[in-house]
Amino acid sequence: AQTVTQSQPEMSVQEAETVTLSCTYDTSESDYYLFWYKQPPSRQMILVIRQEAYKQQNATENRFSVNFQKAAKSFSLKISDSQLGDAAMYFCAYRSGGGSEKLVFGKGTKLTVNP
Amino acid sequence: GAGVSQTPSNKVTEKGKYVELRCDPISGHTALYWYRQSLGQGPEFLIYFQGTGAADDSGLPNDRFFAVRPEGSVSTLKIQRTERGDSAVYLCASSFYTSGGLGELFFGEGSRLTVL
Repeated sequence: AQTVTQSQPEMSVQEAETVTLSCTYDTSESDYYLFWYKQPPSRQMILVIRQEAYKQQNATENRFSVNFQKAAKSFSLKISDSQLGDAAMYFCAYRSGGGSEKLVFGKGTKLTVNP
Repeated sequence: GAGVSQTPSNKVTEKGKYVELRCDPISGHTALYWYRQSLGQGPEFLIYFQGTGAADDSGLPNDRFFAVRPEGSVSTLKIQRTERGDSAVYLCASSFYTSGGLGELFFGEGSRLTVL
């Protein structure tokens, strides 16, 4: 079974600075998809960014980018120019490429943004 | 509606009681998912519906848990003989057709269940 590990329970960053959240995963599959979701105190999970494993180019969405290292099974999230609204729990997630609908989540990292 | 709606937002019940949690997905979304999020954990998959049928219920922990989606829209998660270990936030998500591959899930705000 696939597993997702987020080794940083909590992280903090100064407003306008850059922070990187770590994620590693374990799989024997070659075809899969990776995601970062944000969960603010409202509890609603919101998709931040996604990556196909077969693409070498790292995904970017405005201030959010990933560093995808397939051989190392690492999928870190970089947040640039951090804003107060970025404060939330961040979850890394994995989905198999074989038509599976199931997302496997890590335990999350709580991000605090200091003014 | 504009987003996925879940009711109740919070539910407190006693051990052994029966509870129902409701999910109203985004209009037009045929795929619906239930996840359970225990304190300090990430969401765990419970069940996935495509239309009215449960396409994958491999995440349901035991036979006390059951979910239905009779008309392919609203879904109800049913928990019988609740136990203290069932306390968690139950998240519902929906997507257009399927979310396979890079497809995005749209989540509700969850129902927090507390079993005393």
